[in-house]
Amino acid sequence: DIQMTQSPSSVSASVGDRVTITCRASQGISSWLVWYQQKPGKAPKLLIYAASSLQSGVPSRFSGSGSGTDFTLTISSLQPEDFATYYCQQANSFPLTFGGGTKVEIK
Amino acid sequence: QVQLVESGGGVVQPGRSLRLSCAASGFTFSNYGMHWVRQAPGKGLEWVAVIWNDGSKKYYADSVKGRFTISRDNSKNTLYLQMDSLRAEDTAVYYCARWGGSVNPPLDYWGQGTLVTVSS
Repeated sequence: DIQMTQSPSSVSASVGDRVTITCRASQGISSWLVWYQQKPGKAPKLLIYAASSLQSGVPSRFSGSGSGTDFTLTISSLQPEDFATYYCQQANSFPLTFGGGTKVEIK
Repeated sequence: QVQLVESGGGVVQPGRSLRLSCAASGFTFSNYGMHWVRQAPGKGLEWVAVIWNDGSKKYYADSVKGRFTISRDNSKNTLYLQMDSLRAEDTAVYYCARWGGSVNPPLDYWGQGTLVTVSS
C-alpha cells in the first residue's frame, strides 16, 4: 500500500497569511494526488485533483503542485472560511490512501 | 445538483450486521463508480471500498475484506454497503462518494455521512 504523510499535523495562522501544507507519498504516484478540505461535522470537499487542477468553484487562492512523491497545497491568503482540516489522497492505485490531515487553526 | 444521501447507520452489537444505503440524484448514477469512505470519531479518513459504474469490479480495504460487501442498484440509483461481523473498530461515520470521471479521478461529491456505532 502507498503511505501518505502530511506535514505539519497542525498549523496556526492568521487571516491573510500564506499557508503551505506538504504531502509525501511512499512511492511515486505521478500526478495522481488529490486535496480535500473538511470542516467539523461536515463531509470532505474536493479542492484540487491531479496535483494542480482546481475543482470548479474553488477559490483561486488555493493551489497545488508537485509530482512523483512530493506535493504541496498552498493557500495564498488565508480567509476566515479556510480554517479547517486538509487531507491529501493518492489516486494512483488501490487501496486509496489518505494523509493524516493538517488542521489549520486561528492564531 | 448532485446529491448523495446516506442512511442505515445506528448502534449495533459486535458480530452483528448492518446495511448502509446511499441514494443518489442529480446525475446519471449508472455512469459513475462509487466509493465508501469512513472516519472514526476524531480520526482521519479511511477508504473502504469502490464499485465500478456497472458493478463489474469491486475493491476493498484489507480491514474490511471478507466482512463488507459493496453493491449497487442502478435502477434505483442506490449504492449499498453490507457490513457483517462488525467490530468495535468499525465505529465511524460512513460516507458515500462519487468517483469523478476521466482518468484516475477524485472523489468529487460526498454525502453527509451516517454514523455507525458498534458497541455492546
